[in-house]
Amino acid sequence: AQSVTQLDSHVSVSEGTPVLLRCNYSSSYSPSLFWYVQHPNKGLQLLLKYTSAATLVKGINGFEAEFKKSETSFHLTKPSAHMSDAAEYFCVVSDFYSGNTGKLIFGQGTTLQVKP
Amino acid sequence: SQTIHQWPATLVQPVGSPLSLECTVEGTSNPNLYWYRQAAGRGLQLLFYSVGIGQISSEVPQNLSASRPQDRQFILSSKKLLLSDSGFYLCAWKGNGYTFGSGTRLTVV
Repeated sequence: AQSVTQLDSHVSVSEGTPVLLRCNYSSSYSPSLFWYVQHPNKGLQLLLKYTSAATLVKGINGFEAEFKKSETSFHLTKPSAHMSDAAEYFCVVSDFYSGNTGKLIFGQGTTLQVKP
Repeated sequence: SQTIHQWPATLVQPVGSPLSLECTVEGTSNPNLYWYRQAAGRGLQLLFYSVGIGQISSEVPQNLSASRPQDRQFILSSKKLLLSDSGFYLCAWKGNGYTFGSGTRLTVV
């Protein structure tokens, strides 16, 4: 079965410093991996996705993630944090074992705090 | 363009009352539809998914049910709410990617 583990439940950075949100996955086959962001009381917004093309994926708002098969990781990074980046972030894997159902498996989430 | 509508945005309901949350999709046909729930301090958990009209699959045993009366309509229901049903409910559909509704924050009191 596929699974996703977000290694930090809470990350705090200062504005202008780099962001690293860590994610490890478990999958027997090449997965599709996603990062979503959820601002308070809002729905989920897709930041970026990996679907077996380039291993370095660039997303919106300056975020990027690198798929490392050898480490089964898909960490999210950003060179310089903005106050508006404060939100909850979810690492997600698509379940290929379910055929056409396309179910998503979510990590527990990482809350990013950005200090002025 | 494809859009997804989910309502209401917030809801406060007493224990034992019924629930009906509605989700509709526009601009697509025969979408895969999903209901997820996020309990306080936890990640999103898949509750139900549907690959077509009248086809509902439940992922976890619970106090809730789902129905898909029309191709682009997905409804989450309960006959009697429990305190543990409180949470943030998200509807989603799968096209080329996944699109999520804006969510419903349900508080059962």
